[in-house]
Amino acid sequence: DAKTTQPPSMDCAEGRAANLPCNHSTISGNEYVYWYRQIHSQGPQYIIHGLKNNETNEMASLIITEDRKSSTLILPHATLRDTAVYYCIVRAPHRGSTLGRLYFGRGTQLTVWP
Amino acid sequence: SQTIHQWPATLVQPVGSPLSLECTVEGTSNPNLYWYRQAAGRGLQLLFYSVGIGQISSEVPQNLSASRPQDRQFILSSKKLLLSDSGFYLCAWSVIGHAAFGSGTRLTVV
Repeated sequence: DAKTTQPPSMDCAEGRAANLPCNHSTISGNEYVYWYRQIHSQGPQYIIHGLKNNETNEMASLIITEDRKSSTLILPHATLRDTAVYYCIVRAPHRGSTLGRLYFGRGTQLTVWP
Repeated sequence: SQTIHQWPATLVQPVGSPLSLECTVEGTSNPNLYWYRQAAGRGLQLLFYSVGIGQISSEVPQNLSASRPQDRQFILSSKKLLLSDSGFYLCAWSVIGHAAFGSGTRLTVV
């Protein structure tokens, strides 16, 4: 699976957009980009995933560059409850699963301040 | 809707004692099941995954074992705990297009 590079920490003011970058320069053609977040001492929470096109759901937007070597997770209006560690993962489906050998790095600690 | 139950939430065990953590999934059939461990300040490490009853794949050599006696039940075990087994253990499930994690078990080996 491709490795990802994320900044270790970011800050964002409440109500502003939080833009979390991720580099995945060795991504393969069949690998998806996934984003999860983990609030302290809780299980990771799925946010969004995508292959080529930009994606949007009720939680966030995912912007993937045309060459697919990087992506950005956008939280349009960050709240204090969005403070968490955000993980960017890239992988191909494994036996029809969205997990399989899914390796998590250290992610980005996003702190939203009032 | 699918739910995942993991227990206990916290556990303090002495070195050398056995361990059994249980995870069950409801609302889905034939999911892939996973055990992850997260050491303090570290990312999530995949320990075991299972694509079906009795089918277990181990990712890293370790003092732990896993079993899947039923389709929606995944158990993490150890015969003798080590201090290094302390950490935050997470169970997860996935089917095509969806995946979710349990709430985790904080294990402290003393």
